[in-house]
Amino acid sequence: DAKTTQPNSMESNEEEPVHLPCNHSTISGTDYIHWYRQLPSQGPEYVIHGLTSNVNNRMASLAIAEDRKSSTLILHRATLRDAAVYYCILWGGSNYKLTFGKGTLLTVNP
Amino acid sequence: KAGVTQTPRYLIKTRGQQVTLSCSPISGHRSVSWYQQTPGQGLQFLFEYFSETQRNKGNFPGRFSGRQFSNSRSEMNVSTLELGDSALYLCASSLVGDRPYGYTFGSGTRLTVV
Repeated sequence: DAKTTQPNSMESNEEEPVHLPCNHSTISGTDYIHWYRQLPSQGPEYVIHGLTSNVNNRMASLAIAEDRKSSTLILHRATLRDAAVYYCILWGGSNYKLTFGKGTLLTVNP
Repeated sequence: KAGVTQTPRYLIKTRGQQVTLSCSPISGHRSVSWYQQTPGQGLQFLFEYFSETQRNKGNFPGRFSGRQFSNSRSEMNVSTLELGDSALYLCASSLVGDRPYGYTFGSGTRLTVV
């Protein structure tokens, strides 16, 4: 499985934007970039995914580098409820599974 | 729309016993996968089922098994429980599992082996 590299932790202030980076230099042409987050005492929650183009949804934006070797999850205005572990995952589809790394623990300060 | 339902939420078992966990996917979702989460190993893939067939299996011993029923509900079984099996077991469902649709996770079953 292609691997991703994320910072162990990041901190943000409430109502400020947050940029969560992810490096995936060994990504293959068919790998989608998925982001999930896990709030305390809950299962992971799908956030967003993309292949080549930048993507937006109601939760976040995903900015994908032109060479696809890195991506950034953008939370436009962090709230206390966004405090979670964020996982960047490459999903090829052919093996029907998500491979989770250690993720980034996001702390949001009031 | 109901989410992924896992039962029971909490379970305490004794070493050597066996346990069965249940997962009801979102209506219409036909792919169900299972994950184990521990503080040391993080989230690890156990297996995935689609139309009652296991399509992929993670690197776990044969004591871990699962099945899927015709209504897409799934169960996983762990036999001869060991202390190291204490973990949060998560189930995720997806429409078909081979498209880039998001997976929806349940809240998990917290298994404690004593």
